[in-house]
Amino acid sequence: EVQMVESGGGLVQPGGSLRLSCAASGFTFSSYSFNWVRQAPGKGLEWVSYISTGSTTIYYADSVKGRFTISRDIATNSLFLQINSLRAEDTAVYYCAKEGATSSSFDHWGQGTLVTVSS
Amino acid sequence: YVLTQPPSVSVAPGQTARITCGGYNIGSKSVHWYQQRPGQAPVLVVNDDTDRPSGIPERFSGSNSGNTATLTISRVEVGDEADYYCQVWDSSSHHVVFGGGTKLTVL
Repeated sequence: EVQMVESGGGLVQPGGSLRLSCAASGFTFSSYSFNWVRQAPGKGLEWVSYISTGSTTIYYADSVKGRFTISRDIATNSLFLQINSLRAEDTAVYYCAKEGATSSSFDHWGQGTLVTVSS
Repeated sequence: YVLTQPPSVSVAPGQTARITCGGYNIGSKSVHWYQQRPGQAPVLVVNDDTDRPSGIPERFSGSNSGNTATLTISRVEVGDEADYYCQVWDSSSHHVVFGGGTKLTVL
C-alpha cells in the first residue's frame, strides 16, 4: 500500500525557517517524481515545487523561488522541503504528492502538515 | 497559464453534475481532476483527460476539447459533495497549474 506521511510543520515567526519531510513507502521511491502542493486556510490548491527522479530537474513556483528548496533522499525514501524567510502568506497545509508512472497527475498524496507563520 | 473554474455547482441527488475548467487551448494539454472532501487530502478522480484511476467509480468521467475541459459526475450521490480541482502541466513555464476549485453541493 502506498503511504506518504508529512512531518515538520509548526508555528514559526516571520523570517524563520522549517524543514518539511515526507516519508514514502509501498512503492519504488527512486522511480517517481514528486511535488509539494500547499493550501492556505479556506483557499484552493497551490503548486509549490517539483523534483524529478534522480533530482536532475527541479522547478519552483514564482512565489517561493529563492526561499524554498526541494530535495529527496533515496536512502531513506524521503522527500524534503526547506522553507526559509517565511512570510505570513506561506501559512498553509503543505502536501507531498507522488506523480504517476506515465502521467503528470498526482496519484497519491500525503495527509498534509500545517505551517503557521505568525509572531 | 490560467485555469478558470466556476466557484460552485449545485445538483440534486441522482442528477448529472458538470464542472468546467477553462484555459487557452486546454485541449492540447492533459487535464487531471481531483476531489477534496473537507479536512482531507485531494484524491485523483480523472487523469489525462478521460482516464479513471483504480477504485474511482465509473460515474466519474472527463472530456477535453478546445478551450474547455469538463468533469462529469453521473447519478450524483450525497457523498460526492466536495471541492473539485482541475490541473495541468504548463510546459512553457515549467509550472503545474491548478484551477481555483469548484464546490459541488448536492441539494
